[in-house]
Amino acid sequence: EVQLVESGGGLVQPGGSLRLSCAASGFTFRSYWMTWVRQAPGKELEWVANIKDDGSNKYYVDSVKGRFTISRDNAKNLVYLQMNSLRVEDTAVYYCARDDSRGFVVWGQGTMVTVSS
Amino acid sequence: DTQLTQSPSSLSASVGDRVSITCRASQGINIWLAWYQQKPGKAPKALINGGSSLESGVPSRFSGSGSGREFTLTISSLQPEDSATYYCQQYSSYPRTFGQGTKVEIK
Repeated sequence: EVQLVESGGGLVQPGGSLRLSCAASGFTFRSYWMTWVRQAPGKELEWVANIKDDGSNKYYVDSVKGRFTISRDNAKNLVYLQMNSLRVEDTAVYYCARDDSRGFVVWGQGTMVTVSS
Repeated sequence: DTQLTQSPSSLSASVGDRVSITCRASQGINIWLAWYQQKPGKAPKALINGGSSLESGVPSRFSGSGSGREFTLTISSLQPEDSATYYCQQYSSYPRTFGQGTKVEIK
C-alpha cells in the first residue's frame, strides 16, 4: 500500500524550531519529487516546498525562505522539513505529498504545528 | 506568482444536480492544473490532473476542462458524498499555488 506518514508536529514558542518527518512506503521513493503543503485552521491549502528525487533541487514559497529547509534521505525513505524562527502564522496542519509532476497524488494524514506563547 | 481565483466560494445544490466550479489563473498555465477534494479533518484527494485527466478510481461524474487561464470542474450528478471543499492548484510555475477553495453543500 502506498503510504505517507508525517510526524514531529507539536506546540512550539515563537522563534523556536521543529523538524517534521514524513515516512514513505509502498512506492519507489527515490524516483519521486516530494512536497510539503500546509493548511492553517479554517484556511486554504498553501504549498510550502518541494525537493527533487535526488535532492539536488529545492523550491520554497517566499514566506518560508531562509527559515525552512526541506531535505530527504533516500536510503531511509524519509523527507524532512526543518522549521526555524517559527512564527504564529506558521501554525497549520502540515502535509507531505508525493509530487507526481501532475499534481500531488498521494498525501499523508498531516501533522499539526502550533506556534504560540 | 500565479494567482488562482475560484468561483463561487460556496454553493448549495440538490442530489442529482449538475454543478460547476471555475478556476481562473492570473497568467496562462497551459493545462498544468489539478483539482482536489477535501473533506473536514482529512487530507486532500486528487481528482483531476492536466486540466481534464481523471485520476484513477475517481468516479466518472467528475470531469475537468479548460486550458490557458480558465478551467472548470464539473460534477454531472451531485451525490451526498460529494459534500466537500474543492481546490484547484497550478503546477506550471513556482511557487505552486492553490485556489481559495469552493465549499459544496448538499441541500
